[in-house]
Amino acid sequence: NAGVTQTPKFQVLKTGQSMTLQCAQDMNHEYMSWYRQDPGMGLRLIHYSVGAGITDQGEVPNGYNVSRSTTEDFPLRLLSAAPSQTSVYFCASSYAPGGGQYFGPGTRLTVL
Amino acid sequence: GQQVMQIPQYQHVQEGEDFTTYCNSSTTLSNIQWYKQRPGGHPVFLIQLVKSGEVKKQKRLTFQFGEAKKNSSLHITATQTTDVGTYFCADNSGYSTLTFGKGTMLLVSP
Repeated sequence: NAGVTQTPKFQVLKTGQSMTLQCAQDMNHEYMSWYRQDPGMGLRLIHYSVGAGITDQGEVPNGYNVSRSTTEDFPLRLLSAAPSQTSVYFCASSYAPGGGQYFGPGTRLTVL
Repeated sequence: GQQVMQIPQYQHVQEGEDFTTYCNSSTTLSNIQWYKQRPGGHPVFLIQLVKSGEVKKQKRLTFQFGEAKKNSSLHITATQTTDVGTYFCADNSGYSTLTFGKGTMLLVSP
């Protein structure tokens, strides 16, 4: 099992550009989520999904969109990148919403 | 999710010393999870505590959940350099959402 995979590992964007961060898991987990990690702020939940076709907002959803068309994939879209979105993004999955989460390796995003 | 406060923010110990990090909430937690993140790495799930007063051990790590379910602690006995990283607690009271504390960064000098 590859676990949770994320691409790309690093990305530099200019303000106003859009992009999609990819996340996939091969553990047949129903629950998937996206977090951003900023220095001194811990991990903050952006969006989450409890199953294919179902998504909901977390603590900091503004500027991000998600969709969940399959159990395996949960992409995160930045609509119009802003410097405030410079961060490390982690995707995670678990067998159930209350279970321990498996994190991907992260995407380090810089917005200039 | 509720807000969980972690203390200390940072601790530097000599190898062989013990280390404890605390996670506190003003309201009752349904359960608490602990994660470890090595420098440059991703968070790794360590354990989940559910019951009041629960104590669980993983080798040199001891996890406790308070009797009132408002606090939790992680204690490492005789730290090693491999224990370096940031330790996070996370509140699962929101059921579908986890609220993470800001973490305790542990540095261990040989």
